[in-house]
Amino acid sequence: GAVVSQHPSRVICKSGTSVKIECRSLDFQATTMFWYRQFPKQSLMLMATSNEGSKATYEQGVEKDKFLINHASLTLSTLTVTSAHPEDSSFYICSARQGGDQPQHFGDGTRLSIL
Amino acid sequence: EDQVTQSPEALRLQEGESSSLNCSYTVSGLRGLFWYRQDPGKGPEFLFTLYSAGEEKEKERLKATLTKKESFLHITAPKPEDSATYLCAVQRAGGTSYGKLTFGQGTILTVHP
Repeated sequence: GAVVSQHPSRVICKSGTSVKIECRSLDFQATTMFWYRQFPKQSLMLMATSNEGSKATYEQGVEKDKFLINHASLTLSTLTVTSAHPEDSSFYICSARQGGDQPQHFGDGTRLSIL
Repeated sequence: EDQVTQSPEALRLQEGESSSLNCSYTVSGLRGLFWYRQDPGKGPEFLFTLYSAGEEKEKERLKATLTKKESFLHITAPKPEDSATYLCAVQRAGGTSYGKLTFGQGTILTVHP
């Protein structure tokens, strides 16, 4: 149980392209989903928190117009990196949480490479 | 500000050589402490949640314990397949954090056959 699916697993695209990443909770309803960024040999850095049907809460220093988050249903959240540039290249990971004292369950991440 | 510090940064063990990983934390009211395992190129895999000092949880060769200032992940007779990065995270009680976690930097465990 508690499976989170993230797609695509890898994206390579040209500078200026917008990229959409999907995060789905397959066997539970997620009241809250989270988006993280992870640099090589570093821990997870929280980018934003989203609750179904409401606007995402972004962490300090994260550009909300650059990283668009939509949480349209209890099982799906999307992250769109708009007009991506090489400095946006990173490993992006989503997680989903059922609520209460339940833990976050993570997807397998998306490796984004901007040329 | 919540802080989580894990030690050591890296740990190399021989198969069967038991050891412990440490997670020291500072949080204004702990709602839960979480342990995750992360394999290269993958997302973290949930292992344990601990809620209060004195609590212990076990899963196969792993045992997690919690005090008011730190948590330990004990690995008994490890196998090469236990090699991974182990992450510790805390969740603050109350507020509008929506279950936000603060992660430590992780301990890279390598178990040699």
